[in-house]
Amino acid sequence: EAAVTQSPRNKVTVTGGNVTLSCRQTNSHNYMYWYRQDTGHGLRLIHYSYGAGNLQIGDVPDGYKATRTTQEDFFLLLELASPSQTSLYFCASSDGGASTEVFFGKGTRLTVV
Amino acid sequence: GEQVEQLPSILRVQERSSASINCTYENSASNYFPWYKQEPGENPKLIIDIRSNMERKQIQGLIVLLDKKAKRFSLHITDTQPADSAMYFCAASTGGNNKLTFGQGTVLSVIP
Repeated sequence: EAAVTQSPRNKVTVTGGNVTLSCRQTNSHNYMYWYRQDTGHGLRLIHYSYGAGNLQIGDVPDGYKATRTTQEDFFLLLELASPSQTSLYFCASSDGGASTEVFFGKGTRLTVV
Repeated sequence: GEQVEQLPSILRVQERSSASINCTYENSASNYFPWYKQEPGENPKLIIDIRSNMERKQIQGLIVLLDKKAKRFSLHITDTQPADSAMYFCAASTGGNNKLTFGQGTVLSVIP
């Protein structure tokens, strides 16, 4: 099965703090995504990328930056964390071609106090 | 963009009965409609999907129906078991970038 690994799995930070969430996929997929999951909203796309150095804006990008350093690695950055960013964050990958399945990591639970 | 509405948000059914979840979408260019199951503390996992060139797809006890005119698709779980209890998400995508727009989710509880 396709492998998407997120770290850390849990993180607590203070309001105004700086947080980086990491994601690595070993599927040789071109596309990587960052979603947040909140009750009543499902999963919402923050940013995505179709290759190293590329970044595309998702549906809820405010307050987030992202960087794709290699085909395998995609990072989500919160430079001034706010309590509204308390959420469960999922990274995902897809090859965007013949196979359209999107594979999700195990998630990072972020709490901003 | 795309918006996907999913109902109901909570669904309780008796074991061995059927469960149905409905989703609607707005963008007529959407052509891929996956369904994901998420168990507590786990990541979402694809259970079945349908593309816009089909109206019906079945994998064992899972049936997906797609009505493109009405912009509506649905998941039907037949002969439910307690192991089917989970959160279910529908989603829609317009193509190659696999940018999925998800519904709000349905918590399914199958009562023994």
